[in-house]
Order: sequence, then structure tokens, then C-alpha cells
Amino acid sequence: QKEVEQNSGPLSVPEGAIASLNCTYSDRGSQSFFWYRQYSGKSPELIMSIYSNGDKEDGRFTAQLNKASQYVSLLIRDSQPSDSATYLCAVKKEGGGNKLTFGTGTQLKVEL
Amino acid sequence: DAGITQSPRHKVTETGTPVTLRCHQTENHRYMYWYRQDPGHGLRLIHYSYGVKDTDKGEVSDGYSVSRSKTEDFLLTLESATSSQTSVYFCAISEQGGNTEAFFGQGTRLTVV
Repeated sequence: QKEVEQNSGPLSVPEGAIASLNCTYSDRGSQSFFWYRQYSGKSPELIMSIYSNGDKEDGRFTAQLNKASQYVSLLIRDSQPSDSATYLCAVKKEGGGNKLTFGTGTQLKVEL
Repeated sequence: DAGITQSPRHKVTETGTPVTLRCHQTENHRYMYWYRQDPGHGLRLIHYSYGVKDTDKGEVSDGYSVSRSKTEDFLLTLESATSSQTSVYFCAISEQGGNTEAFFGQGTRLTVV
């Protein structure tokens, strides 16, 4: 079992819709959770971080964390073609040497 | 943008030759990391450093070595490059702490022929 799992996609949504990206993790010692966006040929850039159970909103983005079920999700409201990218979920474990473990990413396509 | 510079940005090398990639930061962050990214595998940690001369292995460290003689520089060396090391290599930096994110460099595309 991989430490961090994501559906590779592609996930296709129409412009203006809500895109829902999911991530599960296996280690209950995980303490911090991050969503990165990566455009083709570019480096990952941080878009959201979440540390406590519940929702965290930032503009059109909402991160949701459920530690009991070991999943974290990212909602993108009013999806735009510019949101088309690969979204990487990353997890940091307590006492894990400050290292991030990444999922393989979900490719999102926002269609006109 | 975080002050992280990777060099070179692109490199083609022959099998069996040594290769060194450089990561330079201007943020004075304690932690530095080397990841490789391959289709279907995502980002995988090769080695990381938690201070000058302090390094540790990641999940795919075989065939790689690292050195950090100054806070700002973290070098990744492929001792004898193989075709399986063809990849995109990313350097990242981070402050210490559970709630600290990592910032990535632009990446180095390495091709071993």
C-alpha cells in the first residue's frame, strides 16, 4: 500500500463547475497535509495546507481533512481552464524528519 | 518566488559518467531535499539535508550521493549514471517544523543515453 494515494485521472470538469480531488494516506502519524499544483513542464507550487480536521478555505479553494478516515480533499469552485494542471497531495509525518511524501498526482482538465 | 536556483536546467550525459546537480538557496532554510519525478511514480525523495554536513537517505537513494558544505548549497551526484536515472530532478527547501511547506526549484531535466 502506498503511503499517499491519489486517483491519477484525468478528471474532467466543465468550466464553472466544482472540481473535487481526493487523497488518502496510510500513516496515522501524519500531521500536516499540503496540496500542490503543477503545470506541465513546471515545478510544483503550494496552493493549500491543512493541519486540523475540518475545512480550510482560501478563495476558490477549500481543503478538507478527516484524520479518522485518513483522507484529505481539495475542492476548486468555479473551475477555470487555467486550473487545468496536475494536483499533488503531500503528507508530513510527526517525527518524520520534516520530509514530505507525495502522491502520484491527479490530472485535472477544465473544459470550455 | 522562493530563492532557489538549480543548475544545470538540462543535461544529456552518457551512461557510466558522473553527474553533479546543484541547488542553491538564498532563503537560509535549514532543510533541503532532492526529489526525482517520473511518470506514474510522482515525486520521490532521494536524499535530504537537515543542516550543514547533515544528510540522510530518502526512499530512492541507491546510485546517488549528496553533500552540503554550506547552508545555501546542496549537491546531488550520480556516481555512474544509468539510463534508469533519466528523470526530472527537483530541489526543495523548507524551514523546520511540522506545519512548514516546501518550496521547489525549477527542476533539472537529465537524460542518460
